[in-house]
Amino acid sequence: EAGVAQSPRYKIIEKRQSVAFWCNPISGHATLYWYQQILGQGPKLLIQFQNNGVVDDSQLPKDRFSAERLKGVDSTLKIQPAKLEDSAVYLCASSQRAPGQAEAFFGQGTRLTVV
Amino acid sequence: SQQGEEDPQALSIQEGENATMNCSYKTSINNLQWYRQNSGRGLVHLILIRSNEREKHSGRLRVTLDTSKKSSSLLITASRAADTASYFCATEYNFNKFYFGSGTKLNVKP
Repeated sequence: EAGVAQSPRYKIIEKRQSVAFWCNPISGHATLYWYQQILGQGPKLLIQFQNNGVVDDSQLPKDRFSAERLKGVDSTLKIQPAKLEDSAVYLCASSQRAPGQAEAFFGQGTRLTVV
Repeated sequence: SQQGEEDPQALSIQEGENATMNCSYKTSINNLQWYRQNSGRGLVHLILIRSNEREKHSGRLRVTLDTSKKSSSLLITASRAADTASYFCATEYNFNKFYFGSGTKLNVKP
């Protein structure tokens, strides 16, 4: 079974620039998550999709962050414009949500550095 | 906050010793999960315990859940250097939402 794929692995941008991250979840997984993990902290949920609908985006800074999941499969997360405090690892995860299969599978993440 | 909080923040032990880390949370949960994260990598799921379960085992891992105290513990027995990583608890509420704590950084010295 292929895992969750994310790209790029690393990105360095200047503040006020824009950036986009891409995620391809495990085939058949209806739920997709984007997390932000700042160095030394636990992952913070930014947005959760169920198929192509948003379940929770309460912690997404909507003035600069946006995310979409077209056709209920791949997803992109965009930051525009970026700030220094956006430097973090952005993790994508997916889950199947079948009975007894509640665990989330994570990608390797995209490490963003804003300078 | 719906996040779990791990304790201790850091733990350093010798190879062969047991490692225990704890997680406390504030509101009722559907289940609690433990994840491991090696430096620079994504998170790996270790074990899930449902709210109606009290103890679960998986290999060298033992997880307990006390819903009356809103706490869980993860025990790693006979630790190995390869167990060096950060460990996170994730509490799940409605609609499959996972909330992570700040983690316990475990260092197992050879």
